[in-house]
Amino acid sequence: AQSVTQLDSHVSVSEGTPVLLRCNYSSSYSPSLFWYVQHPNKGLQLLLKYTSAATLVKGINGFEAEFKKSETSFHLTKPSAHMSDAAEYFCVVSHTDKLIFGTGTRLQVFP
Amino acid sequence: EPEVTQTPSHQVTQMGQEVILRCVPISNHLYFYWYRQILGQKVEFLVSFYNNEISEKSEIFDDQFSVERPDGSNFTLKIRSTKLEDSAMYFCASLRRQNTEAFFGQGTRLTVV
Repeated sequence: AQSVTQLDSHVSVSEGTPVLLRCNYSSSYSPSLFWYVQHPNKGLQLLLKYTSAATLVKGINGFEAEFKKSETSFHLTKPSAHMSDAAEYFCVVSHTDKLIFGTGTRLQVFP
Repeated sequence: EPEVTQTPSHQVTQMGQEVILRCVPISNHLYFYWYRQILGQKVEFLVSFYNNEISEKSEIFDDQFSVERPDGSNFTLKIRSTKLEDSAMYFCASLRRQNTEAFFGQGTRLTVV
């Protein structure tokens, strides 16, 4: 069965410092993986996606993620956090025709 | 840029009443979904819809729930007799093909009182 585990429910960083949001997946075959962001009182926006092409995926707003099959990980990173990055981030795996969401990581960015 | 739109943005209803949540998916998309997110909890899959029929549904999607695509444009979620625990944010999503990016609407916040 497909599943994702987000290892941190909350991450706090200072503005200008790197961001690392961790995600591990479980999949019986080559997965499609996504990161979505949800700003307060907003909908879900796609940050980036992995669909078996390049293992290093670049997304919007300077985010990127690396697919590591050996570690079953798809961690989200950004070199320098901005105040506007404060939001809830969801790691998502695609299973047949539905998406399975992780529990989410709330990113706080302090000035 | 095409987007998924949902109406209303907020809905307050009394327990036991019927509600219909409406969604207009992106026009050339073929797969349609409803998800919900209870406050503070994870996003949960409710139902997927393809070729004018339900393709998969979760345990949450019991007989009180139904979906419809009445006119080739709208995609609706009906809850026949709402319960307090139905209070959540409901998201509609659509995909062009399987395993591609899902486009989500802004959500409908349903509050059952």
